[in-house]
Amino acid sequence: DAGITQSPRHKVTETGTPVTLRCHQTENHRYMYWYRQDPGHGLRLIHYSYGVKDTDKGEVSDGYSVSRSKTEDFLLTLESATSSQTSVYFCAISESQNYEQYFGPGTRLTVT
Amino acid sequence: KQEVTQIPAALSVPEGENLVLNCSFTDSAIYNLQWFRQDPGKGLTSLLLIQSSQREQTSGRLNASLDKSSGRSTLYIAASQPGDSATYLCAVYRDDKIIFGKGTRLHILP
Repeated sequence: DAGITQSPRHKVTETGTPVTLRCHQTENHRYMYWYRQDPGHGLRLIHYSYGVKDTDKGEVSDGYSVSRSKTEDFLLTLESATSSQTSVYFCAISESQNYEQYFGPGTRLTVT
Repeated sequence: KQEVTQIPAALSVPEGENLVLNCSFTDSAIYNLQWFRQDPGKGLTSLLLIQSSQREQTSGRLNASLDKSSGRSTLYIAASQPGDSATYLCAVYRDDKIIFGKGTRLHILP
């Protein structure tokens, strides 16, 4: 398995609080991605990074921000969590654009 | 806009049978197509990646084919086993985007 970890694995938070999810890789891959997975919608891309400090928006980026200060870490921040952001969040990595992606174990976030 | 469809959404098959899972996409201008497996409560496991220049890829009992002109891919599973029960997702790559289908939930009956 690719060396990808996500933390925390589970989190319950209240509406309006900030939340940061962390993705850490040991593969030295250039690309990193954040997805959310919801019933009826499948997997949707939130943001991705193509290098340190280089990020871009995905399909459902509103309400989310990201940062990548080191190759191995990609952070996803919900500035003010809402109930609609209750979801399972997955991080993925790949060597290059359009290359095979490898997924982390996921973080289950519940916003009450 | 690229759309990826997987039909059926769920499938039950007796153990030992061969089966085919389908994936269709609306825009044939893709780079790669990838099949994943997801077990309940788990992350995605990559099964096979087919590059746009390839027609098929094989790994053990799995064979994936790609027909870009018709916008279709199939995942063939030979001699199914109860351990194959999972949700299978396909995803297509185009530029910096990857679009997922919603998956087929496969149940192998012992």
